[in-house]
Amino acid sequence: SAVISQKPSRDICQRGTSLTIQCQVDSQVTMMFWYRQQPGQSLTLIATANQGSEATYESGFVIDKFPISRPNLTFSTLTVSNMSPEDSSIYLCSAFLGGEDGYTFGSGTRLTVV
Amino acid sequence: QKEVEQNSGPLSVPEGAIASLNCTYSDRGSQSFFWYRQYSGKSPELIMSIYSNGDKEDGRFTAQLNKASQYVSLLIRDSQPSDSATYLCAVTEGYSTLTFGKGTMLLVSP
Repeated sequence: SAVISQKPSRDICQRGTSLTIQCQVDSQVTMMFWYRQQPGQSLTLIATANQGSEATYESGFVIDKFPISRPNLTFSTLTVSNMSPEDSSIYLCSAFLGGEDGYTFGSGTRLTVV
Repeated sequence: QKEVEQNSGPLSVPEGAIASLNCTYSDRGSQSFFWYRQYSGKSPELIMSIYSNGDKEDGRFTAQLNKASQYVSLLIRDSQPSDSATYLCAVTEGYSTLTFGKGTMLLVSP
């Protein structure tokens, strides 16, 4: 089954700065997704990223805060901009691989904003 | 608003017992159903996918789907302490965005 590599695995950032998270899939995929998971909570979808089109953001998430790039069928980035402590969370990328592989997740990025 | 409901638990079972995890969903148009296991501090790992009514077995895991009742379950036979984790139910109408339940914590005691 395909592998999704995500980096960085963790980071501690100063408030007001930005962090870009990268996600690489070892096969071509049409749809990639970015989630946030706060401690003890389930996954919240931030946006869907399809190659060749603008990302589609869920309610409560905006492009200025979470810009996403999807330059090709194997790669995507999520930037968390102008960070505040409330952005401290785990960020996960996911891709739809199809068949029995379904939707697979990267290993996650644990972000702490101080 | 599409909703997926799970008991938060924890569900406690002794080692060797059958653990039964349940999930209901609100969107009758849902077509694809997934169970994920998530260990603390780790990302979700796909355990089972199921697309049609009935049972689907894979090793110690059996997923059961009843679209008429809008109900999907996961049975874990011969539960092991290593099965202790949070189990997430996820549903999608087609091959688009997943809607996740809040997860059920399973604790398997030796």
